[in-house]
Amino acid sequence: DTAVSQTPKYLVTQMGNDKSIKCEQNLGHDTMYWYKQDSKKFLKIMFSYNNKELIINETVPNRFSPKSPDKAHLNLHINSLELGDSAVYFCASSQRQQYGYTFGSGTRLTVV
Amino acid sequence: QQQVKQSPQSLIVQKGGISIINCAYENTAFDYFPWYQQFPGKGPALLIAIRPDVSEKKEGRFTISFNKSAKQFSLHIMDSQPGDSATYFCAAWGQVILTGGGNKLTFGTGTQLKVEL
Repeated sequence: DTAVSQTPKYLVTQMGNDKSIKCEQNLGHDTMYWYKQDSKKFLKIMFSYNNKELIINETVPNRFSPKSPDKAHLNLHINSLELGDSAVYFCASSQRQQYGYTFGSGTRLTVV
Repeated sequence: QQQVKQSPQSLIVQKGGISIINCAYENTAFDYFPWYQQFPGKGPALLIAIRPDVSEKKEGRFTISFNKSAKQFSLHIMDSQPGDSATYFCAAWGQVILTGGGNKLTFGTGTQLKVEL
């Protein structure tokens, strides 16, 4: 299936831990994104990579570090997790300069 | 500062009725206006989109109306069905001058639609 896939789907962890979320797309897109959806369902962009190059870096704590080993993969590493990091994180992809984003199913992160 | 304002926050419509969701924007650099539909436990999925040089676009039961001078656009769902119950997001694509960076998709705050039998 052509898609954007993220793992894990659910992540429950304690405050202070470090965790990673992985994303892969097989759509042949050259741009990938991380969005955060909070408890009120507001979707906010965090990062965007084009061909492994960071092109958008919103005001996000530097505890969040994206890494793109190739244009089909974009991972998100979070250090020293805080309660306020609890949210659903969505990976998405598109062709650069195209508005048609394809989203993954999300990773629900719960920090306890 | 909310770049794309969306209302209402929630909406209940009877089956067969018309659902209307409204959005407004300020940034004239936006040049594509898509709507996304999100079901529980899923990611948003592109539903329909419009360019600002068109006043209306229709795809099946879904219609976008666009008013460029007022910087407003809306989604109309005709003959609403229980299967349409989802969260709907308007969005605007383009460069956000205040924050810089490349073109990106900026979302409205979402509307939770429930279609009752």
